[in-house]
Formats: sequence, C-alpha cells, structure tokens
Amino acid sequence: SQELEQSPQSLIVQEGKNLTINCTSSKTLYGLYWYKQKYGEGLIFLMMLQKGGEEKSHEKITAKLDEKKQQSSLHITASQPSHAGIYLCGAPLPGYGGSQGNLIFGKGTKLSVKP
Amino acid sequence: DGGITQSPKYLFRKEGQNVTLSCEQNLNHDAMYWYRQDPGQGLRLIYYSQIVNDFQKGDIAEGYSVSREKKESFPLTVTSAQKNPTAFYLCASKAKGEGQFNQPQHFGDGTRLSIL
Repeated sequence: SQELEQSPQSLIVQEGKNLTINCTSSKTLYGLYWYKQKYGEGLIFLMMLQKGGEEKSHEKITAKLDEKKQQSSLHITASQPSHAGIYLCGAPLPGYGGSQGNLIFGKGTKLSVKP
Repeated sequence: DGGITQSPKYLFRKEGQNVTLSCEQNLNHDAMYWYRQDPGQGLRLIYYSQIVNDFQKGDIAEGYSVSREKKESFPLTVTSAQKNPTAFYLCASKAKGEGQFNQPQHFGDGTRLSIL
C-alpha cells in the first residue's frame, strides 16, 4: 500500500483560481516536506512542516499540517502559469529509514494552469 | 553558487554495459541520496550515505552500486544486472541538523538514462 497518498493525481485549473492538494499518511508524520518539480528537472524545496497545526506560507502558497499530524494540504491562491508542475510531498516514516532522515515520497500531483 | 551538479543530463546504455552517473555537491552536506523516478511511481530510494566511506542500500538497490570516497561526490553505477534501467535518476543531499527531521533534502537536476 502507498504510505503517502496524494490527491488529486492531476489538476487543471483556470488562471486566477485557488486550488488545494492533499497528502495523507496512515501513520503519524514527524515531518512533512513539500517539493515542486518541472518536467525533466530536479525537485525544488518549498516548505517543511513539523508541528501539528503548523501553517507556513511563501508568496501565494500555503501549507498546513493537521493537528493529528496525518494529513497535510498545499493551497495555492490565485494560481498563475508559473505554478504549473508536479507537487510532491515527502516524509520520514518509521520502517523506511525515517529515523536516519530518509524520506518516503507521494506519487505527486500534476498541476496545469490554463491562461 | 552552492548546489548539486548531476552529469550527464542524458545517458544511453547498451546491453551488457555498466554506466556511471555523477553527483557532486558543494553545499558541505554530510548525507547524500540516489533516487529513481518512473512515470506514475514517484521517487524510490536506491542508495544513501550519511558519511564518507559509508553507504546503505535503499528500497531498490539491486543492479546498482555506489561509492563515497569524498564528501562532495556520490557516483552511482548502473550495472548490467539492472534489467530495466530506463528512468530519471535524481541525486540529493542534506545537511546534518539538530535532528533528523529539520533539514530538507536538496536535489540536483537529474540524469535521464535510456537503453539503446
């Protein structure tokens, strides 16, 4: 089973619209990292969350970790074509080398923004 | 500028051939990682190294080998034993922080490997 489930798998939005991407774990998350990837390129670090209820923002992107620390959401306000790409969540999980800093990644959410 | 450099960007492998992917970082990071990315499968960990001269197998190490002779370098060899090597390979590094969970991994731009 997939340890980190991302939804939706893909998303097409009109420029200017808001959107939310979710990352869910069946286990407690001790840290959650959000990355963005353009096709054929490396991952760019966006934000890191550690505490239940924590929320961080950077420009028009806000990420939250719920109180139970099992789900994180990434919200983009007033989307722009520059937001297009693949968004991935990653987390250190027990049994997967999490105590050594290794990350398990979700399969990603592909975002397209129509001008 | 500090960063992670992967080379080459594109690589082609013939049957029975070993190929080596380069990963160099000048961020002074202790830990380095190799991932494989296939369409629809996300990232899967191949090998990782927390310190020079030491490395551990990840989830899909079969058919791959690594070395960590210098802090800056973590080359990955895709051997002929890897029967399905076509994929996008990503190298990452991470600083040692106060805890394991408060430092993000930083990634290179990747190498795309294809079979000829």
